[in-house]
Amino acid sequence: DIQMTQSPSSVSASVGDTVTMTCRASQGISSWLAWYQQKPGKAPKLLIYAASTLQSGVPSRFSGSGSGTDFTLTISSLQPEDFATYYCQQANSFLVTFGGGTKVEIK
Amino acid sequence: QVQLHESGPGLVKPSQTLSLTCTVSDGSIILSGYYWTWIRQHPGKGLEWIGNIYYTGSTYYNPSLKSRVSMSVDTSKNQFSLNLNSVTAADTAVYYCARYSTAWAFDYWGQGTRVTVSS
Repeated sequence: DIQMTQSPSSVSASVGDTVTMTCRASQGISSWLAWYQQKPGKAPKLLIYAASTLQSGVPSRFSGSGSGTDFTLTISSLQPEDFATYYCQQANSFLVTFGGGTKVEIK
Repeated sequence: QVQLHESGPGLVKPSQTLSLTCTVSDGSIILSGYYWTWIRQHPGKGLEWIGNIYYTGSTYYNPSLKSRVSMSVDTSKNQFSLNLNSVTAADTAVYYCARYSTAWAFDYWGQGTRVTVSS
């Protein structure tokens, strides 16, 4: 199985800050990585797929980068609605795995 | 806009079978290249992929659950289903159905259904 490790597990930030989080795969997954945002009591929402492609309707302050084993999600100019938990997901094979999540909290 | 909706019992007894159905609306389940998925989330924890099914019935399961999981699809009803047998308290979770797109990402999700395993 491909293991996905996200860091940090949580980050405190203020509105307007830029937040960066990482996701590392235990083996190369090319660019087959997606990022999701989840708010309490809600289903996850797809933000980015193929490592850097923004899902339709997602604000441009979200951006993704990386390939191989190391990936980054950046939120520029953090908005109040961005406080949530973010998950990465690898799709290099039909056996899907998620990272453990990064919680973005209000400082 | 595709919509997915999970249905099934919210309470299952230990050792019994958990059965859930996902109904797809405003879109066909017969869609080339798209898979249909079950994902669960234990209370306060992260996301765990359970398995994917194609409209033809082809399946892929999480190896850690493979011995207890089966999925099926009913194209006439635009539904797919999950059976998880021999459940224990460790299977208590919110269960989501989702669509796995050709970009290998889950682009549409149901709202989730909470299942508790308890006697």
